[in-house]
Amino acid sequence: DVKVTQSSRYLVKRTGEKVFLECVQDMDHENMFWYRQDPGLGLRLIYFSYDVKMKEKGDIPEGYSVSREKKERFSLILESASTNQTSMYLCASSLWPGGTSVPYEQYFGPGTRLTVT
Amino acid sequence: DAKTTQPPSMDCAEGRAANLPCNHSTISGNEYVYWYRQIHSQGPQYIIHGLKNNETNEMASLIITEDRKSSTLILPHATLRDTAVYYCIVRVDGGNQFYFGTGTSLTVIP
Repeated sequence: DVKVTQSSRYLVKRTGEKVFLECVQDMDHENMFWYRQDPGLGLRLIYFSYDVKMKEKGDIPEGYSVSREKKERFSLILESASTNQTSMYLCASSLWPGGTSVPYEQYFGPGTRLTVT
Repeated sequence: DAKTTQPPSMDCAEGRAANLPCNHSTISGNEYVYWYRQIHSQGPQYIIHGLKNNETNEMASLIITEDRKSSTLILPHATLRDTAVYYCIVRVDGGNQFYFGTGTSLTVIP
């Protein structure tokens, strides 16, 4: 079974702190993703990475950066946490999709609930 | 890009079939439709996917209309553990990204 793990289930940080959220997958997947989830807004993509040291902005990248130094690990960084970044953060991984006619599954971690006070 | 629309919430009696609809009128010809669900405080979990034909697995059935503009996820005998948010998903422009939308919150009532 694919396993995606996230470093913390719950995290409380102060405004202005630098925050690191870590995600590790054990299936040698090329793609990794960071989402945030807020009530009424569903899942929104922050960043994704399709290879080591490669990254692409998602729908809401402002205020975030990412790092992918190793294939199995994808980090989300909040350079200066703000209260509007209080949210559930979800990491996912997948194989390279290989074309639109090929089924494509993303595997999710359990999520990190971040509170910024 | 392809997007999906789903009703925000539904109720279903325990033991009855839960039918969750989804519209995806702009889906491209060879794009799959995927269904995931998210139980409270957990990450989304894959349920099923389909292209043109109806699909069934141990969790659910998926009915896709002939024009592929809509689909219905069927949980044949809903249990209390099926209470979750159900997402109908397509890939954005055939790329790496999923479009999740806000999903349908299904409540199974005893």
